[in-house]
Amino acid sequence: AQKITQTQPGMFVQEKEAVTLDCTYDTSDPSYGLFWYKQPSSGEMIFLIYQGSYDQQNATEGRYSLNFQKARKSANLVISASQLGDSAMYFCAMMRSGAGSYQLTFGKGTKLSVIP
Amino acid sequence: KAGVTQTPRYLIKTRGQQVTLSCSPISGHRSVSWYQQTPGQGLQFLFEYFSETQRNKGNFPGRFSGRQFSNSRSEMNVSTLELGDSALYLCASGWGLESYEQYFGPGTRLTVT
Repeated sequence: AQKITQTQPGMFVQEKEAVTLDCTYDTSDPSYGLFWYKQPSSGEMIFLIYQGSYDQQNATEGRYSLNFQKARKSANLVISASQLGDSAMYFCAMMRSGAGSYQLTFGKGTKLSVIP
Repeated sequence: KAGVTQTPRYLIKTRGQQVTLSCSPISGHRSVSWYQQTPGQGLQFLFEYFSETQRNKGNFPGRFSGRQFSNSRSEMNVSTLELGDSALYLCASGWGLESYEQYFGPGTRLTVT
């Protein structure tokens, strides 16, 4: 079975500083995908970044980067230059492949608060 | 390009009633997945549809069902509502073939009284 662990229930970061949100995963599948989503108080899940298990380089999307360490089974999200609008819940998720179906397994989430 | 839309956005139902939620995926996407989000259980997978066929189902009772139409729009039905069904129901759409991208809609917040 797949499992995602986010050990930080809540975090604070000063505006304009960088912050790392931790995510570890457990799977026996050789092929999988790792995602980070942002969920503001409105409830919508906003896609941030994706990393494939066979990707050699860490994924980056603007201010977001994914620090992928396959041997350690970790996929930490790094947000550079935090903004007040980054305050939200952040979810790490994993999708298995090869089964002909698409199902995301989510972690419990980390609530990020950006302080002005 | 329009995103994933879900209707209604908010819903209040009474215990024992049934409810139908709708999800329209991004144009061209053929996969629609449904998730339930509650404070206690977090985000849990309900089911996934691709080209009108259910490909995968989560661990939910038979009261939860769904279907997908030929235009890829999907509906989710919950019969005999219980208080514990109060949740945010999110749907996600994707290409469904060799692509992991999943984009979520704004969700339907269901309250059962």
